[in-house]
This record gives sequence, C-alpha cells and structure tokens, in this order.
Amino acid sequence: QVQLVQSGAEVKEPGASVRVSCKTSGYSFTSYGISWVRQAPGQGLEWMGWVSPYNGNKNYAQKIHGRVAMTTDTSTGTAFMELWGLRSDDTALYYCTRNRNMVATTMDYWGQGTLVTVSS
Amino acid sequence: DIVMTQSPLSLPVTPGEPASISCRSSQSLLQNNGENYLDWYVQKPGQSPQLLIYLGFNRASGVPDRFSGSGSGTDFTLQINRVEAEDVGVYYCMQAVELPTTFGQGTRLEIE
Repeated sequence: QVQLVQSGAEVKEPGASVRVSCKTSGYSFTSYGISWVRQAPGQGLEWMGWVSPYNGNKNYAQKIHGRVAMTTDTSTGTAFMELWGLRSDDTALYYCTRNRNMVATTMDYWGQGTLVTVSS
Repeated sequence: DIVMTQSPLSLPVTPGEPASISCRSSQSLLQNNGENYLDWYVQKPGQSPQLLIYLGFNRASGVPDRFSGSGSGTDFTLQINRVEAEDVGVYYCMQAVELPTTFGQGTRLEIE
C-alpha cells in the first residue's frame, strides 16, 4: 500500500534551517508529484510547493520563495523539504503529500506530519 | 491567488441528519477539459488530512457513498447524507486549477 513516512519533530532557533524527509513506498515514485503543505497551530492548511520526482521541476509558494528548496532522491523514493531563515511563524506541522498525477493537483496520500518548532 | 470561501465555518449536526458545506472560489475552477479542479479533504482530530472528493464529485477510494460532491465553476457543495459520529472533523475545500493551490478556511463539523 502507498505510504509516506516523515522524519521526526524538530526544534530550531530563529534563523536556523530545517530539513524534513518523506520516505515513500508502495508506488512508482517518479510517476507522481510531491506537494508540501503546512499547518500552523490551530490554523488551516497552507500549500508550500510542489516538486516532480520525474524531472525535478518545482513550484514554490511566493510567501516562502527564496527560503525553501524541495528535492527528491529517486534511488530511495524520498522527498525532502528544506526551509532556512526560520522565523517564529514557521512553527507548524509540515505534511508531504502525493499528487494524484504528475502535476500539482489532488493530494491523494498524506504523510503523518512533522512538527517544526521555531523558538529561542 | 484564487480565494476559497467556505460556509458555514461551524456546523453542529445531529447523528443521522444530513449536512451540507458550501465552497465558493473567486475564479472559475472549470478547465477546458470539462473538469472542475476542486477537491474536498477532511482532517479528523489528531490525524493528517485525507482526501474525500476530487475533481468536484469523484469519491476517493474507501469513502462511503453518503459523501457526495457537486457544483461547477465557482460554487461547490459537499453533502453528507446521514452524519455519523466518526464524521467529526474539519472539512476543507481546495482548488488546483492554478498555482498556488489554495484552501478554504475549513468547516468544523461537530456532533450535537
């Protein structure tokens, strides 16, 4: 079955960087896109960006553009999201998701979430 | 960016009764291929969001048939025919017709 298993919780100081991994299994990794979504405490869902494991194409939300990088490792079926210049408002649950096809559309499977806390 | 507006934001429902959530978009979600790029997700307490409905009306795998999606263009509805206790959670609509993908604010369904 399709699974997305994310790395564990992180606590970072303001200005630091964080890298979240998303290990996939149960499907052909290069046939589907990966999108990242975050959720601040008690808030709604915010799309962060999308990456294609097939050709590395990507698209980031304007709000975090220039502070984020989404990459994939096709040899292990793992996606990564790195965010730097962390601020307190980056404190959130970060989810990796599988897109229903290659482009940034329907998210049919979700990881369990990774809590990133930014605090001094 | 396309703005997604849901109503109501809070929805108390008696078990066995129907429930309906509205979602409106600031631009049409209807593509030239005839598909509406509107999905519905539910986030149950303590869980990751999960896909309910995609492309306006298609139920995701394993979703009970008491959930249905309808609408086109800018107005969409999620209908639950007979609410059960396990349906408690926050329901989100999401548009994927253009980037950035955007979500509605969420509708909290609670059991009365």
